[in-house]
Amino acid sequence: GAVVSQHPSWVICKSGTSVKIECRSLDFQATTMFWYRQFPKQSLMLMATSNEGSKATYEQGVEKDKFLINHASLTLSTLTVTSAHPEDSSFYICSAREGGAQNTEAFFGQGTRLTVV
Amino acid sequence: GEDVEQSLFLSVREGDSSVINCTYTDSSSTYLYWYKQEPGAGLQLLTYIFSNMDMKQDQRLTVLLNKKDKHLSLRIADTQTGDSAIYFCAESTHSGNTGKLIFGQGTTLQVKP
Repeated sequence: GAVVSQHPSWVICKSGTSVKIECRSLDFQATTMFWYRQFPKQSLMLMATSNEGSKATYEQGVEKDKFLINHASLTLSTLTVTSAHPEDSSFYICSAREGGAQNTEAFFGQGTRLTVV
Repeated sequence: GEDVEQSLFLSVREGDSSVINCTYTDSSSTYLYWYKQEPGAGLQLLTYIFSNMDMKQDQRLTVLLNKKDKHLSLRIADTQTGDSAIYFCAESTHSGNTGKLIFGQGTTLQVKP
């Protein structure tokens, strides 16, 4: 199957700093990428949907100025957590879809564990 | 709104069958999925079913869909200790061609030797 790679796998940062997480589709062109957040022992919460070359669509309650998403190419999307605080500590997962109405599968990255101290 | 519900925990003995259940509310769901998540890892797609099907079998996995009751189940035959993980069901409506997924809260499957 197709491969989606997230980097870094884990990161520890100081409160007030910004952290960038990358999501790359390695062997296909991802028209659409999704960013999820997962709290311990909970489900995945969709944060935003990004389409290559356009602004991301954020879900209700997600601060777009806090979680900056850029999808500048068909193989790369980035999520930047700005001015991170301990409550932003979480597991962030991206997924990528090749696009097209008939496409059924979104491929997931391995996730990034963010710890803000 | 869209909602997907799952039981939180299931414990079985190795060799038994496991059945994980899921209910959803969106009647316009196009595809329904089962994902597996091992500790600290991303999600692995196990199988999916299109909404006009009522059953799909793939080796040890059987998916049953009751569209009338909006009920989805995943049966794992001959469950192994390596099947221990969290299983998420998800639904997608492909609205606006984005195909965003709505996930249930996940069922932790514990397989005892």
